[in-house]
Amino acid sequence: ETGVTQSPTHLIKTRGQQVTLRCSSQSGHNTVSWYQQALGQGPQFIFQYYREEENGRGNFPPRFSGLQFPNYSSELNVNALELDDSALYLCASSLGPNPDINYGYTFGSGTRLTVV
Amino acid sequence: AQSVTQLDSQVPVFEEAPVELRCNYSSSVSVYLFWYVQYPNQGLQLLLKYLSGSTLVKGINGFEAEFNKSQTSFHLRKPSVHISDTAEYFCAVTGTASKLTFGTGTRLQVTL
Repeated sequence: ETGVTQSPTHLIKTRGQQVTLRCSSQSGHNTVSWYQQALGQGPQFIFQYYREEENGRGNFPPRFSGLQFPNYSSELNVNALELDDSALYLCASSLGPNPDINYGYTFGSGTRLTVV
Repeated sequence: AQSVTQLDSQVPVFEEAPVELRCNYSSSVSVYLFWYVQYPNQGLQLLLKYLSGSTLVKGINGFEAEFNKSQTSFHLRKPSVHISDTAEYFCAVTGTASKLTFGTGTRLQVTL
């Protein structure tokens, strides 16, 4: 079975620019969650998509938006980048929206975004 | 709302020694608890999880954790660590919502 693939692995952007990060879910997984991990911190929940609909959102401003496609791949878009957006962005796929099911989450290796 | 406190930011230990990484949580609802490991430049890998049933949970790589509801703790233990266990360890909690709430992590540094 394939795991979760994220692209690109590293990215440098200028403050004010827009960025799109991509995630390919594990085969058969219909749910994807995005997390932001700042340096030295634990991951923070951004939002979750289940069957192409947003299914929960963390404490992030609207300039963080997402999409999930029919093949369950996903994008995270961030507009008007700020220096504090510099972080590792993790995508996690799962078989269903609730982490109490037996399969849990499968995380990708992340995209390291640096905003200068 | 849930929250997680990992009491130690760094834990140095010699190879083959036992280790305990501490995790305390707070929640107003029943919880599910997880431990994840993150190796440098990698994503998160699930070590073990508590959903229900036996409070002693065994995971991969020889790790285990015990759920203690009265003390709201879910400490991670390994009886004998290896150099390859050097990594960042995250405790996480979730209730009925879809998101995981993570602690700030504990850096386990194993030396010879």
